[in-house]
Amino acid sequence: AQSVTQPDIHITVSEGASLELRCNYSYGATPYLFWYVQSPGQGLQLLLKYFSGDTLVQGIKGFEAEFKRSQSSFNLRKPSVHWSDAAEYFCAVGLTGTASKLTFGTGTRLQVTL
Amino acid sequence: DTGVSQNPRHKITKRGQNVTFRCDPISEHNRLYWYRQTLGQGPEFLTYFQNEAQLEKSRLLSDRFSAERPKGSFSTLEIQRTEQGDSAMYLCASSLSGFTDTQYFGPGTRLTVL
Repeated sequence: AQSVTQPDIHITVSEGASLELRCNYSYGATPYLFWYVQSPGQGLQLLLKYFSGDTLVQGIKGFEAEFKRSQSSFNLRKPSVHWSDAAEYFCAVGLTGTASKLTFGTGTRLQVTL
Repeated sequence: DTGVSQNPRHKITKRGQNVTFRCDPISEHNRLYWYRQTLGQGPEFLTYFQNEAQLEKSRLLSDRFSAERPKGSFSTLEIQRTEQGDSAMYLCASSLSGFTDTQYFGPGTRLTVL
């Protein structure tokens, strides 16, 4: 069965600093990969997704992620963090050939200091 | 596009009572998903529908849980004889039916079982 690991439970960065959130997956084939963000009282919002092709994916709000097959990773990055980016971030994997369900990691809570 | 809506947003109930949640998907979406999210965890897949057909159920969905989507539009999730372990956020998502179509999430229903 597929699984997703987000090794960092909580990260604190200063506003304007760069950000990298780690995600590792376990799956036998090339998965579909997603990053979602969840703010308090809000639903999960899709930041970006990877299905195939270019391994560097651009998303909304200035985020990007890079798929590295050799490392089974799909890390999320942002060059300059804004205070409004404080939220919980979830990496998720979907099975190739079906989009019937997503398997999520446990999330990384991002705190931004001014 | 009004997004995915869920009602109620909060539900407090006593152990042993039955509860029902409703999800209204984005109107043209024929897939509808239910997930459960407990504190400090990522969402976990429960079940999904293609139109009115329930195509997959997780082992997490015990006999006390039932989901319906009678006309292929809104869906209900019922929990019978609630237990304290059922306390969680119940999330609904919808999508089109292509393999790469994005799941759009609602704000969730937070259930507290006393």
